[in-house]
Amino acid sequence: EVQLVESGGGLVQPGRSLRLSCAASGFTFDDYAMHWVRQAPGKGLEWVSGISWNSGSIGYADSVKGRFTISRDNAKNSLYLQMNSLRAEDTALYYCAKDMGPYGGDAFDIWGQGTMVTVSS
Amino acid sequence: QLVLTQSPSASASLGASVKLTCTLSSGHSSYAIAWHQQQPEKGPRYLMKLNSDGSHSKGDGIPDRFSGSSSGAERYLTISSLQSEDEADYYCQTWGTGIRGVFGGGTKLTVL
Repeated sequence: EVQLVESGGGLVQPGRSLRLSCAASGFTFDDYAMHWVRQAPGKGLEWVSGISWNSGSIGYADSVKGRFTISRDNAKNSLYLQMNSLRAEDTALYYCAKDMGPYGGDAFDIWGQGTMVTVSS
Repeated sequence: QLVLTQSPSASASLGASVKLTCTLSSGHSSYAIAWHQQQPEKGPRYLMKLNSDGSHSKGDGIPDRFSGSSSGAERYLTISSLQSEDEADYYCQTWGTGIRGVFGGGTKLTVL
């Protein structure tokens, strides 16, 4: 079964850090680019960051550039998001999503169930 | 700037058909998009990839009731024989050069 399972969310104070993980199974992980997408409570989907199959190309939304770092470990079939200097506006459900291509320029065809990040004092 | 525009809401009766619209910003009318469904309290689900010529490829298990079409800068999702479980938020998504994702604001579909 093709599956993405996110973990690592939680309640964190403003200015602190958190690391999200996404475990992939059921497909050849290192053939595809991967992304993080978030959804603030009651709001729409917002693309956060993406990484190509070999980590050679990486992109970030302006809202997180300089604070978040995406990475992947193909040997472990895992995707990560290191989030530093967290702000209240980063509060959201964070989804991991698989790209249909290796370089990132395609549709997202597999989604996880999400992990909740709450930034509050 | 690559932007996708969707109407915030739509409604249709049980058993009827509905056509949702996603509009690409000026200069991007040749772009392909994807449609995603998000039922209440669930993660998004990929429905289909839709090209500018109207050809589309659906995800595994997506019923024939879901179809896509294109006209100029507009991309459509048509759902026929509406069922209660079709009540959901529908998002269009596209991609630019490099690693980038772009989402429309979403359309909340109510099945009456």
